[in-house]
Amino acid sequence: DQQVKQNSPSLSVQEGRISILNCDYTNSMFDYFLWYKKYPAEGPTFLISISSIKDKNEDGRFTVFLNKSAKHLSLHIVPSQPGDSAVYFCAATSGSRLTFGEGTQLTVNP
Amino acid sequence: KAGVTQTPRYLIKTRGQQVTLSCSPISGHRSVSWYQQTPGQGLQFLFEYFSETQRNKGNFPGRFSGRQFSNSRSEMNVSTLELGDSALYLCASSLRTLPSRSGANVLTFGAGSRLTVL
Repeated sequence: DQQVKQNSPSLSVQEGRISILNCDYTNSMFDYFLWYKKYPAEGPTFLISISSIKDKNEDGRFTVFLNKSAKHLSLHIVPSQPGDSAVYFCAATSGSRLTFGEGTQLTVNP
Repeated sequence: KAGVTQTPRYLIKTRGQQVTLSCSPISGHRSVSWYQQTPGQGLQFLFEYFSETQRNKGNFPGRFSGRQFSNSRSEMNVSTLELGDSALYLCASSLRTLPSRSGANVLTFGAGSRLTVL
């Protein structure tokens, strides 16, 4: 049972444009949602999080939006840069367990 | 300060063998979690340890086991290896196990141990 799903395995955008990565979840008990970025041969690194009681959190070029009624969250990267090219994982916490999605490969073209 | 260190980084085993992977968490972090990453499956939770006690376990067979030592270092072991065990095994550490009023419980990951089973 995949409780966190990222339906787009890949996304390609032009440098300077907006990247929008999407994530859906099924467990209404999740209390925090997080985004991690992973480069090849490295472990995932934390990007940004949002509490389930919020609908938006912004940190520089990164903004996460949460729509609880639709059980959907998205990560917006504006403007996108070639260095943002990586696999992005959506994750959610319930208690101490962190549940991850399958990941989306973002490619930002110069 | 030093990050999460995992050893070995790469290893090759054959079916039926067993393997032990090691993880040294960030100094002061008492919680260590292990994840398996395979293509198309994301990161699958294996188990979590806090103060030498297993706090949480994922849906993996009993061939997968782990432990945590008094210095918070952790090991995981996979016995009777199968071809499907080929994966990147990631260890992550954190100060605590639960979110607090200051925010989510953020895990810091190591670079992983890439296991290939032939």
